[in-house]
Amino acid sequence: DTAVSQTPKYLVTQMGNDKSIKCEQNLGHDTMYWYKQDSKKFLKIMFSYNNKELIINETVPNRFSPKSPDKAHLNLHINSLELGDSAVYFCASSQGTVEQFFGPGTRLTVL
Amino acid sequence: EDQVTQSPEALRLQEGESSSLNCSYTVSGLRGLFWYRQDPGKGPEFLFTLYSAGEEKEKERLKATLTKKESFLHITAPKPEDSATYLCAARETSGSRLTFGEGTQLTVNP
Repeated sequence: DTAVSQTPKYLVTQMGNDKSIKCEQNLGHDTMYWYKQDSKKFLKIMFSYNNKELIINETVPNRFSPKSPDKAHLNLHINSLELGDSAVYFCASSQGTVEQFFGPGTRLTVL
Repeated sequence: EDQVTQSPEALRLQEGESSSLNCSYTVSGLRGLFWYRQDPGKGPEFLFTLYSAGEEKEKERLKATLTKKESFLHITAPKPEDSATYLCAARETSGSRLTFGEGTQLTVNP
């Protein structure tokens, strides 16, 4: 069974569009995260939710909005997509502050 | 500001040739040093967590060690299937945020 899953795996869209990426974890963890990995493979935290409460909100454009409907889900909505948003986005989860487990990633390409 | 630096950026080894990857960190109170393996097109896969200087953990051909300023990932007699990018990350005491290094891309040739 997949522990942390993301949909879609690939997302190709035009500049200015709005898109969402969904994440689900079946590990029973209480904390979920969104990371962005750029072309140089550098992983940077964007957001974190603990029990549906936002606890980390890095300096990202407010076009990015996370939503956590419950402990097992954390979605990422992106408005007015720009070329620079092209990257791989990873969802992760953890129980408290111990090791994080990552999903397979969503490769976003903005044309 | 927390900082994690990995070296080398890339490492090419022959099968069986042991080596070490370095992860230097500057965080305000380390609450965990994490090692991950990332294969192309996949998410990072958790390997080890180290909490205090002197701690060591092993898994197959990999051994991770920790000092007060850096961590090493030792690879003994590597095989081609060990080829991947190895990432380290540090967590500070004040929160749950992980600061990642830029990774070491390891290639093991048969």
